[in-house]
Order: sequence, then C-alpha cells, then structure tokens
Amino acid sequence: EAQVTQNPRYLITVTGKKLTVTCSQNMNHEYMSWYRQDPGLGLRQIYYSMNVEVTDKGDVPEGYKVSRKEKRNFPLILESPSPNQTSLYFCASSFTWRDEQFFGPGTRLTVL
Amino acid sequence: QKEVEQNSGPLSVPEGAIASLNCTYSDRGSQSFFWYRQYSGKSPELIMSIYSNGDKEDGRFTAQLNKASQYVSLLIRDSQPSDSATYLCAVLTGTASKLTFGTGTRLQVTL
Repeated sequence: EAQVTQNPRYLITVTGKKLTVTCSQNMNHEYMSWYRQDPGLGLRQIYYSMNVEVTDKGDVPEGYKVSRKEKRNFPLILESPSPNQTSLYFCASSFTWRDEQFFGPGTRLTVL
Repeated sequence: QKEVEQNSGPLSVPEGAIASLNCTYSDRGSQSFFWYRQYSGKSPELIMSIYSNGDKEDGRFTAQLNKASQYVSLLIRDSQPSDSATYLCAVLTGTASKLTFGTGTRLQVTL
C-alpha cells in the first residue's frame, strides 16, 4: 500500500529532552516536507526537501532540524524541545514540489 | 494580507444541499490549487486539484478557478453527513515555490 508513515503517533516529553520523529514514504517521491498544525494558524511548513541533495527551511524552522540521507526517509529532530513546540505534526511527500502532497497520519507532540 | 484566505466557518448546510467553499489567494503567480479534506484529529486528504481557469468536476465535487479574481472554490453537491469536516485550500505559490495552506473552513452537514 502506498503510504507515508510517521512514528511515534503520540509523544509526551519534557523540555530539553532531544527527540526524533521519523517519516518514511514508499512511493519513490522526491519531495518531502514537515508541517505543524496549530488551532487558528493552519498548516505551517517547517522544513522541506526537494530531493536527497536539497533541504531548506520553511516558514517556521526555529528549533527544528531535518536530515535526508536517503529518498524514502525524512526525520524531524527537536534538539531541545520547548512547550511552544507542542503541536500536531505532519509529514508529507510528493513526486516533485509541483505535485499534490500526500500526508502521513500525524504525530501529536506535547512538551511539558 | 494572508497569502491564502478562507472563512473559518462553520458553514452549516442541510443534507442533500450544495455546499460552497471559497478561498482567495494573494500571489498572482500561483500555479496550482488543491482542496484537502481533514477530519478532526486526522491527516489532510486530497480531494481535488485544479490548474487552469474554469470548472473541474469529480463525482459530487466541483472545483472552480478564477485566476483574474484570484479565487478558487469547491462545490459539494448532495452534501452528506460524512462530508462534515474541515476543508483546506492549498495554493502552490509562484514566487516561493511552496504549498501554502489556508486555515480551513469547517463544514457541518445537518440531518
């Protein structure tokens, strides 16, 4: 089944404890992206990757890192999480940046 | 001015009626337009994409694009309770080469 997977789906952590949210797609997509969704603010892009060689900041990159070492995986890293990073996170992928994006199931993160 | 604007709703329509959802965008160079449906706590799911002026129909859904007026709309015919969700308009902006989402319109289909 063609899909985007994310893990974990739910995470409660404490301020400053490094964490990684994994994202993987099996559709051979070049483009991958991370979004956060907050009430009243909609989906905002954190980072994106055009392909394994190109990764760049989105609208809200502060406090996040990403890595694209292979085409199928695009992990999101929070080196020192803070409460304002409590949010619902989505990974998405598409063939190219021009194409419709397919979303993973989401990761609900709470930072205490 | 927000790049992509939608009325947050809720938009309430009776079962069987036509629901009309609207979206305006600011970047005249925008190329591609998408409508996603999102149920509460779930991920966005693509419903329609539209790239040129006019109407595009897919089952009960019709997307309409007017680039001169910078708006895109989604019509849902014969609305069903299962259509109750938040509908996100997404625009592929020309200048930034990225997908920008509106904050969504919540649709309620009443029995």
